[in-house]
Amino acid sequence: DTAVSQTPKYLVTQMGNDKSIKCEQNLGHDTMYWYKQDSKKFLKIMFSYNNKELIINETVPNRFSPKSPDKAHLNLHINSLELGDSAVYFCASSRRDRQGDTQYFGPGTRLTVL
Amino acid sequence: DAKTTQPPSMDCAEGRAANLPCNHSTISGNEYVYWYRQIHSQGPQYIIHGLKNNETNEMASLIITEDRKSSTLILPHATLRDTAVYYCIVRVALRGAQKLVFGQGTRLTINP
Repeated sequence: DTAVSQTPKYLVTQMGNDKSIKCEQNLGHDTMYWYKQDSKKFLKIMFSYNNKELIINETVPNRFSPKSPDKAHLNLHINSLELGDSAVYFCASSRRDRQGDTQYFGPGTRLTVL
Repeated sequence: DAKTTQPPSMDCAEGRAANLPCNHSTISGNEYVYWYRQIHSQGPQYIIHGLKNNETNEMASLIITEDRKSSTLILPHATLRDTAVYYCIVRVALRGAQKLVFGQGTRLTINP
């Protein structure tokens, strides 16, 4: 019954490596998002895709590349990982209705860069 | 970028109503007020949203002032599991996708 799922839940890696985080939603939504929550607990949007099209890109370094193979998936690939990339990354999805978009979040992926 | 102001922390006794205020004095006429919460580093959880009228669902009630410059989230019978950071967000629409701008939120602690 998982609505928005992310893998892996934890990711520990060395600086300079390339890694990917996967996100899947089974809610039938057509918009998906990536958010980053840093050590100070601020949650900030990174990207949004609508029907596989990039809609929002919030001045994220181009080492971060989202990829949406279909409406149900939005993966995040990170090249040349840096210490400052350590954070919790949340995926979310939504469907626009008459009253706007309600976003449903995944459980998060805690990325630690050593 | 947050367009809302919330107290950083609040306490409430278990079983009592928890009233969480939010100021959004610069809200535009077509912007909704959303409330989310985050329980101990889990993913944020949608609670409720509204435009002008008061709203109620199985989780909470949302009271929006007539001038829409502030709102109050009410958890009618708080339980220990309601301990979380509560975020009041004014929706910023951008090219068809919703951009949620999270502020610092209110850390609500429910005490036994």
